[in-house]
Amino acid sequence: KAGVTQTPRYLIKTRGQQVTLSCSPISGHRSVSWYQQTPGQGLQFLFEYFSETQRNKGNFPGRFSGRQFSNSRSEMNVSTLELGDSALYLCASTTNGQDGYTFGSGTRLTVV
Amino acid sequence: QQQVKQSPQSLIVQKGGISIINCAYENTAFDYFPWYQQFPGKGPALLIAIRPDVSEKKEGRFTISFNKSAKQFSLHIMDSQPGDSATYFCAARRSNDYKLSFGAGTTVTVRA
Repeated sequence: KAGVTQTPRYLIKTRGQQVTLSCSPISGHRSVSWYQQTPGQGLQFLFEYFSETQRNKGNFPGRFSGRQFSNSRSEMNVSTLELGDSALYLCASTTNGQDGYTFGSGTRLTVV
Repeated sequence: QQQVKQSPQSLIVQKGGISIINCAYENTAFDYFPWYQQFPGKGPALLIAIRPDVSEKKEGRFTISFNKSAKQFSLHIMDSQPGDSATYFCAARRSNDYKLSFGAGTTVTVRA
């Protein structure tokens, strides 16, 4: 069974631009969560979507947004990129949150 | 504010030795405690998990010990192998909304 797929794997963007990252969850998983991972802050929760609705939100500015489609695929968008947004962005899926989360390999975003 | 405190930040162990990583939490609403293993360039992978009604769970060389009254849990890696060299994260999930909070991570290096 296919795992969680994140695209693209690597991105380089310029400060001030916006970026969209994509996540395809495991088939049958309806919950998709996004995390930002940096050496200094570790794994920080961005938001979670379940059945196209945002169920949880972390403490990130409004420049970070997401959505989920009817097929459970999810996208996250970061507008007006800042140098500090450089990080590994991870997506994780689960059936409904009650079992374990499966992570993708992440998108490495570099803002220059 | 780190809801799950993890220590040590890093540890070095000889091949065949025991690696021990500790985590502590405050929120009594947590009901599921997974451990994740992450290799460079990869997303975290679920290693083993425990629920608070169990004091110990063993899977192969990996054991979780859980002390509900002390709000602490730990991962023991027995007979550590060089292939175990990775970063390990403990996590805790809230029962009401399934949100996962992660510890800061422990980098384990197993010397041959």
